[in-house]
Amino acid sequence: DIVLTQSPVLAVSLGQRATISCRASQSVSISSINLMHWYQQKPGQQPKLLIYRASNLASGIPARFSGSGSGTDFTLTIDPVQADDIAAYYCQQSRESPPTFGAGTKLELK
Amino acid sequence: EVQLVESGGGLVQPGRSLKLSCAASGFTFSNYYMAWVRQAPKKGLEWVATISTSGSRTYYPDSVKGRFTISRDNAKSSLYLQMNSLKSEDTATYYCARPRKDYGGSHYFDYWGQGVMVTVSS
Repeated sequence: DIVLTQSPVLAVSLGQRATISCRASQSVSISSINLMHWYQQKPGQQPKLLIYRASNLASGIPARFSGSGSGTDFTLTIDPVQADDIAAYYCQQSRESPPTFGAGTKLELK
Repeated sequence: EVQLVESGGGLVQPGRSLKLSCAASGFTFSNYYMAWVRQAPKKGLEWVATISTSGSRTYYPDSVKGRFTISRDNAKSSLYLQMNSLKSEDTATYYCARPRKDYGGSHYFDYWGQGVMVTVSS
């Protein structure tokens, strides 16, 4: 199975930029298609799709969220961070079955 | 608006069975694969099962294969998860999710239900 590694916690100040990383144990790209996705999960709520295929904003997601990366290294950026963005963020790959998730990065206020 | 509403969770003893349901609305249910994803308390997300549009193909990870069965009723826009021989490590919130097939042969999930808690304990 493809293992996805995320840092457990990221502390950020409101109005600043947050950069959340995800590293895969093997490439999750096919040609120029990057099969990495990002979800936001607030406490007590279900996950919500933020970014699909590394850089595509899901429906209704504000433009302060963006994604980048290819191969094994991917980044979710939130700029500027707002209070409503305090949550856990998970990456997930669809390069191979089973689909696997990272352990999540909890975004906290500094 | 896409809505997925799970039901059927609760407390169950190890070795017993439980069946979860998911009622879907806001989209043409029969046109989409469907899936279950779980999250153990304070833990990450784990894919549990996926079913094709007709129900003829099902997919599971090794951790639940042979114990869990995913099924669907397109006439009722409903998804099910039959869980047998439950273990303490199956304790989790179970989410009904709509997967989107991707180039790699796997999928990502564009809509999720609010989840239902399953606790396996004596």
